[in-house]
This record gives sequence, structure tokens and C-alpha cells, in this order.
Amino acid sequence: DGGITQSPKYLFRKEGQNVTLSCEQNLNHDAMYWYRQDPGQGLRLIYYSQIVNDFQKGDIAEGYSVSREKKESFPLTVTSAQKNPTAFYLCASSRGLRGEGEQFFGPGTRLTVL
Amino acid sequence: KQEVTQIPAALSVPEGENLVLNCSFTDSAIYNLQWFRQDPGKGLTSLLLIQSSQREQTSGRLNASLDKSSGRSTLYIAASQPGDSATYLCAVAAGNKLTFGGGTRVLVKP
Repeated sequence: DGGITQSPKYLFRKEGQNVTLSCEQNLNHDAMYWYRQDPGQGLRLIYYSQIVNDFQKGDIAEGYSVSREKKESFPLTVTSAQKNPTAFYLCASSRGLRGEGEQFFGPGTRLTVL
Repeated sequence: KQEVTQIPAALSVPEGENLVLNCSFTDSAIYNLQWFRQDPGKGLTSLLLIQSSQREQTSGRLNASLDKSSGRSTLYIAASQPGDSATYLCAVAAGNKLTFGGGTRVLVKP
């Protein structure tokens, strides 16, 4: 069964903590993406990666970090520098390297700051 | 900077009526346009992808058109059903990324 998995489904963070959200895909896609969705708003791009060991900042990268050590995995760390991290986080992947391929999304992780 | 707008933000129709959802974008230099469905608390499900060279794409009761020169796309859903209730998002691909509209929340009443 090909697809994208994200874990955990729900995550709670205390002030000052770093947390890491997992994203794995078995679609053999080159490109992977992280988006943030806030209530009543569209998705905003945090980071994207077109190839292993390379990634680029999106529109709202401040307070986040990523790594791409394997083609299948693209974890996102929400650092304590992110002042308003409560949101729904979505991971996606696509075959195309320039963003032209169809994007497929995971089920999301809801992060709440306590 | 690419901007994508979806109007209306919310729509309510009786079951059986055809749905017409609009999407507009400011920069016509795009690779493709993608329509998604999102159920509450869930990820996005890809519905249709229209390449920049295409004028329309069809899948079952869904039909999406693309007019790149005017920066518009329309998603038609024929004979709506209560199960079509969801938020529909459009996104345009350009410059290594997708830019999303804010979505249209659809309610189909039985």
C-alpha cells in the first residue's frame, strides 16, 4: 500500500520544548514538502526538499528545521524559537523536481502548545 | 508573488444541485493547477490535476477547467451528494512549490 504516513496524529508541546514530527513516504518520490495550516487559512509552505541531503526554506521557515538523510523520510522539528506553533501540519510528496508533479498528502499532525 | 483566491469561502446547496467552485490566480506562468478535497481534521485528497497546456480534466462527476490567460479555474461537481460536503482547495504549481487558495467550504443538504 503506497502512501505517506505522519506521526504522531496529535502532539502536545510545553513552552520551550523542541518537538519532531515524522513524515515517511513509500511512493519513491523525489520531492517532499512541509506545510502549516491554521484555522480558516490556506496552507503555507515551511520547507521543501527536492533531493536527499538538500532542502530549501519556504515562506514561513523561521522557528523550524528539517533534515533529508533518506529519500523516504523528511522529519520536521518545531523549535522553541517558533512563537506560535499550534497548528495542523501536513507533509506532502511529489515525483517532479520543480514542483510540477502532482502532490500527495499525509493525514497530518495536530500540534498544540500547552 | 503568486496569489490564489477562492470565492465564495462557503457554499450551501440542496442535494442534487450542481456545484461550481471558483479559483483565480495572479501569475499565469504555472506548471499546473491542482484541486484538492479536505475533510475536517484530515489531510488533503487530490481530485484533479490540470497541466498548463490543458483546458480541462474530468473524473467521474468532477470536471475542472483552466483558463491560464485569465488566471481562472472552475471545478464543477455534478449532481451533488451529502458525501460531497467538505472543503475544496485549489493550488497552482510554479517555482518549485504550490501556492494554495483559502478554500471553499461546501455543505450539501439532504
